[in-house]
Amino acid sequence: GNSVTQMEGPVTLSEEAFLTINCTYTATGYPSLFWYVQYPGEGLQLLLKATKADDKGSNKGFEATYRKETTSFHLEKGSVQVSDSAVYFCALSARNTDKLIFGTGTRLQVFP
Amino acid sequence: SAVISQKPSRDICQRGTSLTIQCQVDSQVTMMFWYRQQPGQSLTLIATANQGSEATYESGFVIDKFPISRPNLTFSTLTVSNMSPEDSSIYLCSARAMALNTEAFFGQGTRLTVV
Repeated sequence: GNSVTQMEGPVTLSEEAFLTINCTYTATGYPSLFWYVQYPGEGLQLLLKATKADDKGSNKGFEATYRKETTSFHLEKGSVQVSDSAVYFCALSARNTDKLIFGTGTRLQVFP
Repeated sequence: SAVISQKPSRDICQRGTSLTIQCQVDSQVTMMFWYRQQPGQSLTLIATANQGSEATYESGFVIDKFPISRPNLTFSTLTVSNMSPEDSSIYLCSARAMALNTEAFFGQGTRLTVV
């Protein structure tokens, strides 16, 4: 079946550090891939997406590249800020379903 | 994009009672979904709300416990029935256009506490 696996958190970083949150997936065919962010007390917001192999999604300094050969979609940011502290969810949408499948989420804590 | 309004934003309810959560989308969307998010956990899909027909429930969720309505393309309700403390959670409404590459949009969530 379709599934998403994320690295466990929390990830704790100092401001301006480099961030990587790993995400790998299992899916039939070629899914679309998404990263969502959830700030405390809020719903989920789309951060970025990629719909085909080798696509790079980017937004607000975050990037993720759709790697079909490694079935991965790792989230990166070169220099995190305190305001990036949130929970990040990797998700996929497979071709044979209209549902989004979410990973378990990774909490990021950035300290000044 | 779509803006989703969900209400109430939070509630504290007595066990044995029911709560209905409303979800309004500001544009016509094809698909609407209801998720549950327990504290510190990921999202679990409860059901897909189908316009004019019965919702499609995921394994472990049943209509008697979580009746869902969707009378038109922009509105849906989820009722949590005969509540127990185990139902304390955040309930999230989501909407998505039909195209496969589109993202889902989420409401702010309803934080439910059952006492």
